[in-house]
Amino acid sequence: GAGVSQSPSNKVTEKGKDVELRCDPISGHTALYWYRQSLGQGLEFLIYFQGNSAPDKSGLPSDRFSAERTGGSVSTLTIQRTQQEDSAVYLCASSFPGTGYTFGSGTRLTVV
Amino acid sequence: ILNVEQSPQSLHVQEGDSTNFTCSFPSSNFYALHWYRWETAKSPEALFVMTLNGDEKKKGRISATLNTKEGYSYLYIKGSQPEDSATYLCAHFNSGNTPLVFGKGTRLSVIA
Repeated sequence: GAGVSQSPSNKVTEKGKDVELRCDPISGHTALYWYRQSLGQGLEFLIYFQGNSAPDKSGLPSDRFSAERTGGSVSTLTIQRTQQEDSAVYLCASSFPGTGYTFGSGTRLTVV
Repeated sequence: ILNVEQSPQSLHVQEGDSTNFTCSFPSSNFYALHWYRWETAKSPEALFVMTLNGDEKKKGRISATLNTKEGYSYLYIKGSQPEDSATYLCAHFNSGNTPLVFGKGTRLSVIA
């Protein structure tokens, strides 16, 4: 597509529920990244996919977080048993490795 | 410096003023330094990707310089306009195969 597409744009969920966030990167971009910004914080790295390599999961804050990228394209970030501290804007970006990122418009997650 | 640090945290300037912000990053194993502009309710937008010591890049009224030996970059905005109001993010990585590490950003408000 022309840009990075994320859905939903907003999600309100009850504490303890699971949520799935979707990212559709720019066609041809081999690298895909998930970041989040919590209130008052900077962009926090979560996970990075590059081609067919094993993903870099070093930023995932707990085992409640997981992500997959199917067919080297669309990615889904799943948060199980959501907690209030998971509330944040979740941003996805794609790029060719080592080049500027193109970000999606993000998913604002609110856990109540 | 182990992380990317940006200063000031926020800045208020009058329309027409020129301004600059600082980004400090680890000077060892440098690969690239990125600047992004993040306007409220929009996606972060890439401004510059800088790789060489002494690099200076310009885009309209915005320019940036890079010193990889001492680990800093400056972003300059000449004749600030209200539409320049945004958070300016600096990000660094030390390899083409690692994700960007972002600073917390400088929030600029330009008052008409």
